[in-house]
Amino acid sequence: NAGVTQTPKFQVLKTGQSMTLQCAQDMNHEYMSWYRQDPGMGLRLIHYSVGAGITDQGEVPNGYNVSRSTTEDFPLRLLSAAPSQTSVYFCASSYVHLGLPYEQYFGPGTRLTVT
Amino acid sequence: KQEVTQIPAALSVPEGENLVLNCSFTDSAIYNLQWFRQDPGKGLTSLLLIQSSQREQTSGRLNASLDKSSGRSTLYIAASQPGDSATYLCAVNGGGADGLTFGKGTHLIIQP
Repeated sequence: NAGVTQTPKFQVLKTGQSMTLQCAQDMNHEYMSWYRQDPGMGLRLIHYSVGAGITDQGEVPNGYNVSRSTTEDFPLRLLSAAPSQTSVYFCASSYVHLGLPYEQYFGPGTRLTVT
Repeated sequence: KQEVTQIPAALSVPEGENLVLNCSFTDSAIYNLQWFRQDPGKGLTSLLLIQSSQREQTSGRLNASLDKSSGRSTLYIAASQPGDSATYLCAVNGGGADGLTFGKGTHLIIQP
């Protein structure tokens, strides 16, 4: 099992550009989520999905879009990149127990710089 | 809104010592609590998960305890080694679908 994989590992964007961060998992987990990690702020939830076709907003969703067309993939789209979106992005997945996400597994992260 | 605090923010100890990392949370209505390890420039590795009905979990030299009523969890590391040097993160699952609430971590250095 590869677990949770993310691409790219590093990315530099100019302000206003758009891009998609890829996330895939091979554990057949129903629940997937995206977090951003900033110095002094900890990890904060951007968007999450409880299954294919279902997504919802987390704590900091502005400027990001997600979709979940398959169980395996959960891409994160930056619509028009801003310097405030410079961060490290982590994707996570877990199986669902009693309707709730259980133990969460994280990918290696994508380091994004917006200039 | 759930808030998670980790104390201390940083800790440096000689190799071989037993140590305790602390995590406190403001809302005791939690589903579970996870401890993670993060190495510099890397992702998060799950160390231990404690369900709200459990008091502790053990994995090798690691022991995590949970006191839900007082809003506290501790991670005990026995016989510390330089390879234990990392940032340790505590995260609370509040029982909703909206993911984990993280503390800011404890940066641990084990001196050889």
